[in-house]
Amino acid sequence: EAQVTQNPRYLITVTGKKLTVTCSQNMNHEYMSWYRQDPGLGLRQIYYSMNVEVTDKGDVPEGYKVSRKEKRNFPLILESPSPNQTSLYFCASSPSGSIGGETQYFGPGTRLLVL
Amino acid sequence: AQSVSQHNHHVILSEAASLELGCNYSYGGTVNLFWYVQYPGQHLQLLLKYFSGDPLVKGIKGFEAEFIKSKFSFNLRKPSVQWSDTAEYFCAVNPKFGNEKLTFGTGTRLTIIP
Repeated sequence: EAQVTQNPRYLITVTGKKLTVTCSQNMNHEYMSWYRQDPGLGLRQIYYSMNVEVTDKGDVPEGYKVSRKEKRNFPLILESPSPNQTSLYFCASSPSGSIGGETQYFGPGTRLLVL
Repeated sequence: AQSVSQHNHHVILSEAASLELGCNYSYGGTVNLFWYVQYPGQHLQLLLKYFSGDPLVKGIKGFEAEFIKSKFSFNLRKPSVQWSDTAEYFCAVNPKFGNEKLTFGTGTRLTIIP
C-alpha cells in the first residue's frame, strides 16, 4: 500500500532530551516535507527536501534539523526540545522534486509533548 | 513571501445548506492553489487544486473552488453539505516560480448538524 509512515505516533519527552521522529514513504517520491499543526495557526512548514541531500528551510525551521540521505526517509531531529515545540507533526511527500501543482501525501501525524 | 488568510475559523451549518469557505492569498506572482481536508481521525488529503486553465475547479465529494485572480481569492463551495463533510479545511498556496514552500492558512473547522 502506498503510504507515508511516521514513528512514533505519540511521544512525551522532557526539555533538552534529543529526539528523532522518523518519516518514510514507499512511493519513490522526490519531495518530502515536515509541518507542524497548532490550534489557531494551521499547518506551518518546517523543512522540505526536493531530493536526496537537498533540503531547505520552511517558515518555522528554528529548533529543528533534518537530513535526507536516502530518497525514502526524511527524519526530523529536535536536538534540544523545548515546551514550545509541543505540537502535532506531519510528514508529507509528493512525486516530483518541485512542489508546484503537486499533491502532497500526508502521514498520520506524530503528537509530541515536551515537558 | 506568500501568505494565506482563512477568515472563517468555525462554521456551523445544517445538512443540505450551501457552503462557501473563504480563502485569500498574498503573493506578487503566479501561484498554485490547493484545498486540503482533514476528517476527524484521518490524514490530511487533497480536496482540489488549481494550477492553470479553467479557474473553476471541481474536486472530490462535490466540492468546487473558483480562482479569482483580481481578488486573490480561491473560495471553496459546495451546494448542499452532508453530515460527513464535518472536518477541518485548509487552503494552501505555493508560488509557480520561486520557492518550493507550501504555505497553509489557519484552517476552517466545519461542523454539520444533522
